Amino acid sequence: QSALTQPASVSGSPGQSITISCTGTSSDVGGYNYVSWYQQHPGKAPKLLIYDIINRPSGVSDRFSGSKSGNTASLTISGLQAEDEADYYCSSYTSSSALVFGGGTKLTVL
Amino acid sequence: QLQLQESGPGLVKPSETLSLTCTVSGGSISSSRYYWGWIRQPPGKGLEWIGSIYYSGSTSYNPSLESRVTISVDTSQNQFSLKLSSVTAADTAVYYCARHCLGGSQKAFDIWGQGTMVTVSS
Repeated sequence: QSALTQPASVSGSPGQSITISCTGTSSDVGGYNYVSWYQQHPGKAPKLLIYDIINRPSGVSDRFSGSKSGNTASLTISGLQAEDEADYYCSSYTSSSALVFGGGTKLTVL
Repeated sequence: QLQLQESGPGLVKPSETLSLTCTVSGGSISSSRYYWGWIRQPPGKGLEWIGSIYYSGSTSYNPSLESRVTISVDTSQNQFSLKLSSVTAADTAVYYCARHCLGGSQKAFDIWGQGTMVTVSS
């Protein structure tokens, strides 16, 4: 199984909104509403931000939102803050009953 | 508050078997309908799902690792374990254990251990 495709890096200024894409195939992202998003700060474990495309776990800021269109899922962060600077990973369930992650996107807050 | 903690050797020789244990505290591994998983991250690289297990023992594995991976659960010790055989330098990574979230599809991980670095080298 191939990793999902994410941009290597994105950037934005405080207060702005940014979107990170996650592109797969009809066998993963496009075939199921089972895409998750994680935030990882350096040296730390990943933190779940979004599950099943649009759902936020309790305690996650509503500045984080998810969506999907066809084989591409997206994570939008609104009202960008300095502490949002981190690596972001998407994950999807696949037709092989497996989980696959994206390559990760480094977010820089300018 | 549920916590997960990985433990095991930090150095494994090539061709040998990597063995890690995840100890669950603050809750019972068998008291709820949770799945438990292992994920790894090579230095400077992205995340890779290794496999997951239900408290009853049913498993699912990454097809690319399936021939070398065994995940098991010990409910009496409130632990689940990972064994990866015939390791090479490519298996050098931080290994995380994590709990699948109960909501929705149960395909996401909502609680993670801190991770443990395993280096494969002679």
